[in-house]
Amino acid sequence: DTGVSQDPRHKITKRGQNVTFRCDPISEHNRLYWYRQTLGQGPEFLTYFQNEAQLEKSRLLSDRFSAERPKGSFSTLEIQRTEQGDSAMYLCASSTRLARRTDTQYFGPGTRLTVL
Amino acid sequence: KNEVEQSPQNLTAQEGEFITINCSYSVGISALHWLQQHPGGGIVSLFMLSSGKKKHGRLIATINIQEKHSSLHITASHPRDSAVYICAVGRGSQGNLIFGKGTKLSVKP
Repeated sequence: DTGVSQDPRHKITKRGQNVTFRCDPISEHNRLYWYRQTLGQGPEFLTYFQNEAQLEKSRLLSDRFSAERPKGSFSTLEIQRTEQGDSAMYLCASSTRLARRTDTQYFGPGTRLTVL
Repeated sequence: KNEVEQSPQNLTAQEGEFITINCSYSVGISALHWLQQHPGGGIVSLFMLSSGKKKHGRLIATINIQEKHSSLHITASHPRDSAVYICAVGRGSQGNLIFGKGTKLSVKP
């Protein structure tokens, strides 16, 4: 399967613990996005990378959240000191940037986080 | 007010019916996306359009840039079309999408 993959698919943690999620984009895609989706809502943008550079962060991304894409391939999203409000589906997507236009984004299956 | 609004929020149809889902947006966009999300979370891109109309099988998407409005139509609906349909807009070089809340479609046999 050459689609976007995410690991783990489900994570249950206790409040205050740190969690880390991984996203492997489609190999030739240079853009990688992280979104968060809560129940009954559409996804909300968190951050995105072009190659290894983090180009934009949403103000939703508090200082407890950090994302990396060290070699321009896979990415990790870490949440420190988790809170119950962090419970959500965390979605990763990738795309190839065509000059001055957005391209189709391909989504991974998501990581569902439950904070107890 | 959300930057991307969809209607209706929920839609129940009988198999075979023609379905329309609407999306209005209030920001400048470079492209509008229609996405499908099945239970369990997986999101699939259906269309990306910046003008006019696109058709894939029984699905048709249209956009009116002047009115900042798009519609997704499903002809001859089928129970397997049951899913959440999400409208999202892209804003040029930024790349990230702004999403509507989605329309939950249920097609009864």
